[in-house]
Amino acid sequence: AQKVTQAQTEISVVEKEDVTLDCVYETRDTTYYLFWYKQPPSGELVFLIRRNSFDEQNEISGRYSWNFQKSTSSFNFTITASQVVDSAVYFCALSEDTGFQKLVFGTGTRLLVSP
Amino acid sequence: GAGVSQSPRYKVAKRGQDVALRCDPISGHVSLFWYQQALGQGPEFLTYFQNEAQLDKSGLPSDRFFAERPEGSVSTLKIQRTQQEDSAVYLCASSTYEGGPNQPQHFGDGTRLSIL
Repeated sequence: AQKVTQAQTEISVVEKEDVTLDCVYETRDTTYYLFWYKQPPSGELVFLIRRNSFDEQNEISGRYSWNFQKSTSSFNFTITASQVVDSAVYFCALSEDTGFQKLVFGTGTRLLVSP
Repeated sequence: GAGVSQSPRYKVAKRGQDVALRCDPISGHVSLFWYQQALGQGPEFLTYFQNEAQLDKSGLPSDRFFAERPEGSVSTLKIQRTQQEDSAVYLCASSTYEGGPNQPQHFGDGTRLSIL
């Protein structure tokens, strides 16, 4: 069975601090895909990144970076020099190569960035 | 607009009433998904369409929930004889097949359903 765990319920930081959001997943498939989504107060889920199980290269996009480690089944997300606009709930999600691509989400981490 | 559009944005209904929620996906997107998001939780999968074919409805919580996509574009999620536990945000997402499998799903703003 597939499962995504985001153990951090809520994180509070002050602007310009770096913050890492943890994501641990479980799957029996050898081919799978991992995603991060941002959900601001407006409610719409905004896609951030997609990574397949065969690509363990870390990725950086501006202030965002992702660390994928198959050995620990983790796909962590780091925001460098956080800003107030980063305040949102962040979801990690998994989809398997089978199963019609449905996403299995974690429970989310609420990030509060104060000025 | 170019994104996924859902209506209504908010829906209040009395227990026992039927409701219908609409989703207009991104033009050309073959795949369409419905998710249910309870307060403080992550979205949970309800059902999946590939064009007009409903290929997975394993997440629908009961036979009161019904979804359709008759022409492979707009989809409707219907809930009959609503119960209080149906109160949640219902999210629709669409994705393309171009570029390979498991492409990112693009979500609408959701419909917040409140059952009194």
